[in-house]
Amino acid sequence: SQTIHQWPATLVQPVGSPLSLECTVEGTSNPNLYWYRQAAGRGLQLLFYSVGIGQISSEVPQNLSASRPQDRQFILSSKKLLLSDSGFYLCAWGGYNEQFFGPGTRLTVL
Amino acid sequence: AQSVSQHNHHVILSEAASLELGCNYSYGGTVNLFWYVQYPGQHLQLLLKYFSGDPLVKGIKGFEAEFIKSKFSFNLRKPSVQWSDTAEYFCAVSDSGGYNKLIFGAGTRLAVHP
Repeated sequence: SQTIHQWPATLVQPVGSPLSLECTVEGTSNPNLYWYRQAAGRGLQLLFYSVGIGQISSEVPQNLSASRPQDRQFILSSKKLLLSDSGFYLCAWGGYNEQFFGPGTRLTVL
Repeated sequence: AQSVSQHNHHVILSEAASLELGCNYSYGGTVNLFWYVQYPGQHLQLLLKYFSGDPLVKGIKGFEAEFIKSKFSFNLRKPSVQWSDTAEYFCAVSDSGGYNKLIFGAGTRLAVHP
């Protein structure tokens, strides 16, 4: 069966520090991968998606970037965090019928 | 651009009460519609989905949703809620531009009191 992992589960970082969140998927090959963010009091917003290794599409202009160095690995990064980057970050894999979500990372930028 | 509106941000009910959560989307073409749920401490998971066919869709745990094309709505219903239904509920629509990107509503927090 397929599983999706995210780490870390929680993270507290100072403004201006770098960020790296990792997502890995098991039990499937060549999945579509997605990064979402939920800011306080708001819905889930799609940040990036990837249909293959090295293929990244950005949905909104922001302070973040994504990379897919391996088929089942999706990384969310920032060189310098802003206060507005705080939120709950969810990774998902899937396609037409359904998306499957990871446990999420709660990021607090102070 | 497509958008999804959920009318209720917080709902408080007693056990056995009926539930209806509103969801409206803005798009005139063919859409796929979803309700996701996140129980406390658990992953976001699919509750039910509509692609085509019977507009009344049944999902897990006694939930159902009705797609009304003329109203651009996909409301979630349950005749009798339980304490275990306490969770956050998200309505979503798949993006027509391909790659099956989901556009979510802001979510509704449901608290069911015993």
